[in-house]
Amino acid sequence: EAQVTQNPRYLITVTGKKLTVTCSQNMNHEYMSWYRQDPGLGLRQIYYSMNVEVTDKGDVPEGYKVSRKEKRNFPLILESPSPNQTSLYFCASSTPGEQFFGPGTRLTVL
Amino acid sequence: AQSVTQLGSHVSVSEGALVLLRCNYSSSVPPYLFWYVQYPNQGLQLLLKYTSAATLVKGINGFEAEFKKSETSFHLTKPSAHMSDAAEYFCAVSHTGTASKLTFGTGTRLQVTL
Repeated sequence: EAQVTQNPRYLITVTGKKLTVTCSQNMNHEYMSWYRQDPGLGLRQIYYSMNVEVTDKGDVPEGYKVSRKEKRNFPLILESPSPNQTSLYFCASSTPGEQFFGPGTRLTVL
Repeated sequence: AQSVTQLGSHVSVSEGALVLLRCNYSSSVPPYLFWYVQYPNQGLQLLLKYTSAATLVKGINGFEAEFKKSETSFHLTKPSAHMSDAAEYFCAVSHTGTASKLTFGTGTRLQVTL
């Protein structure tokens, strides 16, 4: 089954404790993205990647890092999480015609 | 810069009534436009998309949308609401002529009542 998977689905952590949210797709897509979803703000793009080793900032990159060492994986790294990064995070991979979204990761930073 | 405005953060309709969710866009290039649906505790699913072919686009679950360049609109409609349509709906515009980089609206939560 074609899909985008994210782990973990839920995470509660404390300020300053480094964490990684993994994202993997099995559709051989070149383009992948990370979004955060906040009430009243919709989805905002954090980072995107056009291919292996090619990444760029989206609209809200501050406080996040990404890497793309393999085509299928695109992890999101929070080196020093802060409470304002409490949010619902979505990974997506895309063809030119459609983006496919993962199920989301709900992150709470205390 | 490209942007999307969704009028109405919450819309409530009765079961069987017309659903109309509004989306206006701004774009400096011919836009690609999308509607996504998000059911509770799930990711986003594509409902339909406009990519410069037919201006009336039909999607899944009986939804359709009409691209009106003169009004810079791409409103989503469904003739008869069903309880299962209760969800959050997002309009999105493409910067690049593909689905790879999208700017999303703030979303409209649809409530369907008996």
